[in-house]
This record gives sequence, C-alpha cells and structure tokens, in this order.
Amino acid sequence: DVKVTQSSRYLVKRTGEKVFLECVQDMDHENMFWYRQDPGLGLRLIYFSYDVKMKEKGDIPEGYSVSREKKERFSLILESASTNQTSMYLCASSWRLYNEQFFGPGTRLTVL
Amino acid sequence: KQEVTQIPAALSVPEGENLVLNCSFTDSAIYNLQWFRQDPGKGLTSLLLIQSSQREQTSGRLNASLDKSSGRSTLYIAASQPGDSATYLCNTNAGKSTFGDGTTLTVKP
Repeated sequence: DVKVTQSSRYLVKRTGEKVFLECVQDMDHENMFWYRQDPGLGLRLIYFSYDVKMKEKGDIPEGYSVSREKKERFSLILESASTNQTSMYLCASSWRLYNEQFFGPGTRLTVL
Repeated sequence: KQEVTQIPAALSVPEGENLVLNCSFTDSAIYNLQWFRQDPGKGLTSLLLIQSSQREQTSGRLNASLDKSSGRSTLYIAASQPGDSATYLCNTNAGKSTFGDGTTLTVKP
C-alpha cells in the first residue's frame, strides 16, 4: 500500500516563525501536492511538484514556498508564519498526473 | 479556472437507502476525476478514480459515473450503512487539482 506520512499531526507556532512541514511518500511517485483545508473554503492547492526540484504554483501560493530535493520528500515552508495560516495542511502524491492521488493524515497548524 | 460544485452540501438518510451525490465542473479538459471520503479530523481516503476516457467505475457498493461533455459526475452508494457517514469530496485533475466543497452524509441507524 502507498504510504504518505507527514512529520507532525499537530503543530503550534508563533507569528513570525519560520515553519517547515514535511511530507514523505514511499512509492517512488513523480508528483506531490500540498493543500490547505479550511471550513467554508474547502481544500485548496498551494503548490505541486511533478519532479525533483520542479514546482508549480497552485491557487493560493502567497506566503508559502516549497522544496523538493529528493523524490520522496516534499516540504512546505512558511517563511514568516501569520495567524491566517492557521489551518489543516494535507500532502498528497501520485505516480503520474493522471493517476490516483494518495493523501497523508494531515497536519493541524495553529499560529498564535 | 476550474470550478467544482457538489450538491447537496449535506444529506441525511435512513440506513439501507440508495443515494446519489452530485459533482459538476466547468472545464472538461481533465485527466481524471476522483472521489474521496473524509472522516472528521482525518486525511482523505480515495474511493474511485475515473480516467477521462472512462464512463464509470465500480467498487463494492459504490459506483461513480463521468460525463465530460456535460461536466458532471455522480457517486452512487447502494444500501447505505451508518459507517458510510462522512464527507465525500470530488476532485478534478487537469495538471492543477481542484476540489469541490464536499457533501456531508449522515446515515441514521
């Protein structure tokens, strides 16, 4: 079975801190995705990557950056966390863009 | 920009009923459409994936259809059970991935 893991289930940070969210997949998938999920706004795509060192902006990239140095790992970076980035963050991966996406369990981030 | 709409937003049915969840999308140039299930506070579980060249997929009591020309997909759940209670999400993939807001299903014993 495909396994997508996220570094933390819950995280509490202070405004202005630099925050790293890590995602690892174990199936040699080409594509990885970062979403955030908020009540009333649904799931929104932040960034995705279709290869090592490659990235594409999603619908809401502002305030975020990403890093993919190895195929199995995709990191989401909040350069200077703000309270409006309090959210549930979900990572996913897929073999190719037209293949099934598999999701991790999510990281609930609170920025105080 | 792709827009994905799911109707209804919430649905409550008695156990044993057959039901249909609807998903509509504005841009038919998609690679695939995927249905997910999400339990409260959890990640997403994939239910069915329909490629753009396919019309339907089935898994157990679930059947999903895709009509690209009309921009519609349906998820049919047969003989619903309380364990089916969850939020069901529709996702279109056209390079960029777009989700609907989901339908929250409650199946009452």
